[in-house]
This record gives sequence, C-alpha cells and structure tokens, in this order.
Amino acid sequence: DAGVIQSPRHEVTEMGQEVTLRCKPISGHNSLFWYRQTMMRGLELLIYFNNNVPIDDSGMPEDRFSAKMPNASFSTLKIQPSEPRDSAVYFCASSLELIDSYEQYFGPGTRLTVT
Amino acid sequence: KQEVTQIPAALSVPEGENLVLNCSFTDSAIYNLQWFRQDPGKGLTSLLLIQSSQREQTSGRLNASLDKSSGRSTLYIAASQPGDSATYLCAVSTGAQKLVFGQGTRLTINP
Repeated sequence: DAGVIQSPRHEVTEMGQEVTLRCKPISGHNSLFWYRQTMMRGLELLIYFNNNVPIDDSGMPEDRFSAKMPNASFSTLKIQPSEPRDSAVYFCASSLELIDSYEQYFGPGTRLTVT
Repeated sequence: KQEVTQIPAALSVPEGENLVLNCSFTDSAIYNLQWFRQDPGKGLTSLLLIQSSQREQTSGRLNASLDKSSGRSTLYIAASQPGDSATYLCAVSTGAQKLVFGQGTRLTINP
C-alpha cells in the first residue's frame, strides 16, 4: 500500500492567494482527517470525514478554510485568502473505523509558507 | 477540555540505555491512546495503539502502558539505538476518532 498521499509537499504563496492542499487516503479507509502543526500550538485537528461526510469541523479556524471530500479516494483543504499566520505543516490522515480500532495513518504533510 | 502533557520536552541519553517517556491526560474518558514517532520534516508514524480496556501493548523494543484512572501512559524503549532519535507524540482519542496530541518529547540517542 502506498500510504496516505499528499500534494504538494511544499507550497510557497503570497498573502491573499488561494491555496489548495490535496490528499489521497489509504484505499479502503473510511475516515479522513486534516491536521495542522505549528511550533506554538502543536498538532491540531481541523476537520474529519467519515464515509465522505464531514463529521466535525469545529477545529477549522475560520471561514477562510474549507474542506471537501467528493469521493472516498480524494480530499482537498482550501484556504482563501491565505494569510502569513496560516504558515504551518498540514497533515492528512486516514483510518478504518471499526468497533474497537481507530488507528490513524498520517501522510508526509504539506509545508505551507505564506509570505 | 482534554489536555495532554508530555514530560520531558527533550531527552538525551547514551546508546544502549532503557528509557521511559511520559504522557498524562486530564480526562480519563478516552477511547484509546496512541503513540507516534515523528522524524524531522516527516509525517507521523504510528507505533502503538492501546484501547481503553487494555493496560499495555508491546511491539519489539517498545512497550506502552495505560493507566486510565490516573490519566497516565508511558512508552518504554529498551536498549535504545541512535535510530530511535525522533520526536515521540502521545495522543488520546476523546471519541468519534478525535485525537488530542501532546507537544511531544524530542529524544536524542547518542552513539
């Protein structure tokens, strides 16, 4: 299995631009998560989907952030307009939700720099 | 609100030593606890997952314990090697797969 795939791995953009991060979960997994990691706040859950449906988006910082999962093999996280404080590493993770197991598998992350 | 604390923030030990990393959480109502490893510039690798009904899990030289009542978990690494150098993160599941992470312990194993 290729694991969770994220693209791009690095993104540098100017303030005000739209940024789209992409994720392909592990085949067969039914839950997908977007996290953000910064030095100050550590790892924070932004949103997660189960069976392509957003279940909890309480971690999404503001309306500039949006996420979609049009099918079981693809998700996007969009920031519009981007701001310097959005600079962070964004991770996507997936899991197979079973009765007694919720082990999450992480992608390599996208390092976003907003200047 | 669940809070996860990891102590120490950084640890440096000589190769071959056994060591313990600590994780504490404020709300004992957890579904499971997961230990991850993160190498610089990389994603997270899951090491061990302990269900709330379990007391410990073992994988190779790693052993993780869970004491829900006291809100504590430990990760024991036996016979440490330079390749074990990384940041170790503890995360608790508060339900519906929501993970709350600690800030991590940065571990350095000196040859």
